[in-house]
Amino acid sequence: DTGVSQDPRHKITKRGQNVTFRCDPISEHNRLYWYRQTLGQGPEFLTYFQNEAQLEKSRLLSDRFSAERPKGSFSTLEIQRTEQGDSAMYLCASSPRDIHYGYTFGSGTRLTVV
Amino acid sequence: SQQGEEDPQALSIQEGENATMNCSYKTSINNLQWYRQNSGRGLVHLILIRSNEREKHSGRLRVTLDTSKKSSSLLITASRAADTASYFCATDYTGGFKTIFGAGTRLFVKA
Repeated sequence: DTGVSQDPRHKITKRGQNVTFRCDPISEHNRLYWYRQTLGQGPEFLTYFQNEAQLEKSRLLSDRFSAERPKGSFSTLEIQRTEQGDSAMYLCASSPRDIHYGYTFGSGTRLTVV
Repeated sequence: SQQGEEDPQALSIQEGENATMNCSYKTSINNLQWYRQNSGRGLVHLILIRSNEREKHSGRLRVTLDTSKKSSSLLITASRAADTASYFCATDYTGGFKTIFGAGTRLFVKA
């Protein structure tokens, strides 16, 4: 599989629980992005990694959100003490250093907080 | 707002007609990209235009960029029912790392 993989595809959790999502980018891509998308809206930037370094994080993110990319390979996004407002599609994308061909997006993880 | 502005929000046309979508942004950019998203699926990259380019073509797609007006347009010629999707513009602003997406134009092509 040469695409971007995200796991799980769907997650239903109770309010207050912690959740963790995983993204496996295309192996030769050194750039990795996390976005959040709600119904009828465009993707909203969450954070950006270049290799293992987290170079930018949205100010919209509260302290409940954290992301890692150990060894510059896969990445995880954790949400602590989930709230109903966290319900959304969480998208991961990767790209090589030259983004001429744009980002390759995964299919996303749909989070529902009940 | 974090997002750019897209116009129109929704567009309904007959198969074979052309579809034009517009995108405006706020500050200087390195490049602008257009993506397509079919219902419930991931985004697919269509085309990237750099800030020093004015027009670019890819198959039935034509993208223009006017940096003086901070705007771009996406033209889909001879539309097909399979073009029904949401279309998003995304900008890479100078001095930053993040790509900002607009709210999208929902295109419906009637067979």
